[in-house]
Amino acid sequence: QQPVQSPQAVILREGEDAVTNCSSSKALYSVHWYRQKHGEAPVFLMILLKGGEQKGHEKISASFNEKKQQSSLYLTASQLSYSGTYFCGTPAYQGAQKLVFGQGTRLTINP
Amino acid sequence: DSGVTQTPKHLITATGQRVTLRCSPRSGDLSVYWYQQSLDQGLQFLIQYYNGEERAKGNILERFSAQQFPDLHSELNLSSLELGDSALYFCASSPTVTYNEQFFGPGTRLTVL
Repeated sequence: QQPVQSPQAVILREGEDAVTNCSSSKALYSVHWYRQKHGEAPVFLMILLKGGEQKGHEKISASFNEKKQQSSLYLTASQLSYSGTYFCGTPAYQGAQKLVFGQGTRLTINP
Repeated sequence: DSGVTQTPKHLITATGQRVTLRCSPRSGDLSVYWYQQSLDQGLQFLIQYYNGEERAKGNILERFSAQQFPDLHSELNLSSLELGDSALYFCASSPTVTYNEQFFGPGTRLTVL
């Protein structure tokens, strides 16, 4: 079953913070985050493998709450280059090698 | 540039036809994944190959098939094409079969008229 992402779309001004959430009615065994700019291929951001794990790269970070079956991606002081659609993916079942992706959150950053 | 190549970049064909999409993974990557992305849709997993063998299958239609060759490149064959098959088809690769970063190719945009 596909994870649910919210919000579906966000419009921000440069420098503002953003958060996008990924939740599932089934257990989340790991969470994979990707960003896809319009007309381009998805690009890997990070993987969170276990509950409580938090990761970050520059001003993009994520958390994984295994008990609540949700993950959140945080973008701090957003830059124009952060615009795109953010997808979360999770294994279809424990040990699965195929990822099921959410519908994505479309983030637009304006100057 | 992810290092994954896909050809062709664009493909326009008619209903009922058959097409083949090609993917070359990054050097050293043994796993290849195929995804379909329809307009305003998320990524739908189709199939995964690892070192020549099928490892995982998604909701891939019976009209679709894939294979991975000894040189590790992969082909996705789509037959009896329908209008609804129009989409972006991405190939991705990763070093192993476990939870790894997947490197996506630029995609093939298929238009069925």
